[in-house]
Amino acid sequence: LAKTTQPISMDSYEGQEVNITCSHNNIATNDYITWYQQFPSQGPRFIIQGYKTKVTNEVASLFIPADRKSSTLSLPRVSLSDTAVYYCLVGGIGDDKIIFGKGTRLHILP
Amino acid sequence: DAGITQSPRYKITETGRQVTLMCHQTWSHSYMFWYRQDLGHGLRLIYYSAAADITDKGEVPDGYVVSRSKTENFPLTLESATRSQTSVYFCASSDIASSGMNTEAFFGQGTRLTVV
Repeated sequence: LAKTTQPISMDSYEGQEVNITCSHNNIATNDYITWYQQFPSQGPRFIIQGYKTKVTNEVASLFIPADRKSSTLSLPRVSLSDTAVYYCLVGGIGDDKIIFGKGTRLHILP
Repeated sequence: DAGITQSPRYKITETGRQVTLMCHQTWSHSYMFWYRQDLGHGLRLIYYSAAADITDKGEVPDGYVVSRSKTENFPLTLESATRSQTSVYFCASSDIASSGMNTEAFFGQGTRLTVV
């Protein structure tokens, strides 16, 4: 399983776009990149998953450069309710385990 | 109700006692997982199961026992609880897509365990 590195914490303001970058230098060819969100006192919740280029859903966008050694989760126009911990995971076909790193603690300020 | 449920939500137990945390999912997902999350930290995988009667160790399995006699249930037992096992425990389930990838994992509400 590829190891990931993310910033420990980030602050931003309501209405701003927030970008959280994850490094995964030893990502394997069949690995996907997945992001989860965790609110206090709740279990994590799946946000988005991608393999290459750009993926967008109603919650976020995921940008993956051609070398796939990093990825960026983009949250458009954040609100106070986006304050949470965001986890970047890398795993591929045949990986039984789902391993979480320490995540990025995002704090949205009014 | 459809989903994944954990019980109890809160538990206080004494050092040395055996305690079992329950996890039940209604989707018939192949995979189930147990994690612990200590205050201010990320999730650490304790045990996981790929199917009924198949279990395997995660990152921090010592002091824990699991079983999976039925697809929908995945109980976690602390055979002799210690204070260091005070934590929030999360159960999760996922399935395998046609691509062979694990699909998104769905988490329960968590069990807050205190060992005194």
